[in-house]
Amino acid sequence: NAGVMQNPRHLVRRRGQEARLRCSPMKGHSHVYWYRQLPEEGLKFMVYLQKENIIDESGMPKERFSAEFPKEGPSILRIQQVVRGDSAAYFCASSPQRGAYNEQFFGPGTRLTVL
Amino acid sequence: KQEVTQIPAALSVPEGENLVLNCSFTDSAIYNLQWFRQDPGKGLTSLLLIQSSQREQTSGRLNASLDKSSGRSTLYIAASQPGDSATYLCAALTQGGSEKLVFGKGTKLTVNP
Repeated sequence: NAGVMQNPRHLVRRRGQEARLRCSPMKGHSHVYWYRQLPEEGLKFMVYLQKENIIDESGMPKERFSAEFPKEGPSILRIQQVVRGDSAAYFCASSPQRGAYNEQFFGPGTRLTVL
Repeated sequence: KQEVTQIPAALSVPEGENLVLNCSFTDSAIYNLQWFRQDPGKGLTSLLLIQSSQREQTSGRLNASLDKSSGRSTLYIAASQPGDSATYLCAALTQGGSEKLVFGKGTKLTVNP
């Protein structure tokens, strides 16, 4: 059973460009989460999705950021018009269940650098 | 609002020593608590998950305990090895409708040969 897959592993963008980060959850996992790790900061929750539904986006910046988890294909975190402050490691996690049995498994992350 | 704190922020020990990493959380209404390991520039590896009804979990040289009433968890590493050098993170999954993990900032462990 392959783990959580993320690509690309490293992404360089110039200010004002768009960044698209992809995440394929573990087989059999229908719950996907995105977290961001800023330099010298802890990991912060961004968004929780199930297939075709955003369940909790309370950690997403109000502008420029969006996420989706379509019926087919990977989950996508999209950042429009990137700024230097968006430079961070973005981690995706997946879990098979909610609640007490919600054990989240993390991907290797995408390291975004904004020039 | 859940807040998770890890002390110490960094720890350096000689090889072979037993050590304890501490994690505290402010809201005791948790579903579970997870301990992770993060190597520099890498992702997170799940080490142990303790459900709220459990007191401890063990995996090899690792033992994690949970005391919900005091809002504390500890990760005990026995007979530490240089390969244990990494940042250790704890994260709480709080009850109340959200499935998000709230992380501490981690303890950076260095085991010296």
